[in-house]
Amino acid sequence: TQLLEQSPQFLSIQEGENLTVYCNSSSVFSSLQWYRQEPGEGPVLLVTVVTGGEVKKLKRLTFQFGDARKDSSLHITAAQPGDTGLYLCAGADNNDMRFGAGTRLTVKP
Amino acid sequence: ETGVTQTPRHLVMGMTNKKSLKCEQHLGHNAMYWYKQSAKKPLELMFVYSLEERVENNSVPSRFSPECPNSSHLFLHLHTLQPEDSALYLCASSQDERQGPYEQYFGPGTRLTVT
Repeated sequence: TQLLEQSPQFLSIQEGENLTVYCNSSSVFSSLQWYRQEPGEGPVLLVTVVTGGEVKKLKRLTFQFGDARKDSSLHITAAQPGDTGLYLCAGADNNDMRFGAGTRLTVKP
Repeated sequence: ETGVTQTPRHLVMGMTNKKSLKCEQHLGHNAMYWYKQSAKKPLELMFVYSLEERVENNSVPSRFSPECPNSSHLFLHLHTLQPEDSALYLCASSQDERQGPYEQYFGPGTRLTVT
């Protein structure tokens, strides 16, 4: 069973700050997704990375897949209150997909 | 309607009740999933259906019974639940669970409280 560890579990920052959250595993994934979930709603897909070393940008969000395809990071520049939510990573390989427990981000105005 | 819809959004039921959760996807996907999300725990995959055939059942108690009448609809039938079953139940769909990149699209969830 693949185990995905996300860190930190909780993060509270002021508007305008930068932050990085991490998703780590000992397993290799064929693809990895990042989702954001707001209270009372389902997770919303942000990005999929499939190639080791791949970097994808979504406005102020930068996602990186580790060279060995075992880990990933999400960097947010100049965080805004609208970025508040639970950030989940999910790794997939051979029809098996598992989610991390998430990083709960709060951005204070 | 677009995306993945779930009804009801909120459900309170006693331990002796029988109820059903409904999920519908409007994305033309072939695979559908039920997840349980409890506080401070990772999403727990409960069931996977691919082309209306159940392909995964992750040791879920028999008081949860899924049904997939077609590739667009998924139900979760509930009976004699326990208080620890209280959670957010999420439905998701994907193009094909047998091949990547396994992007899943989630519904808003049903918040279930068992009293």
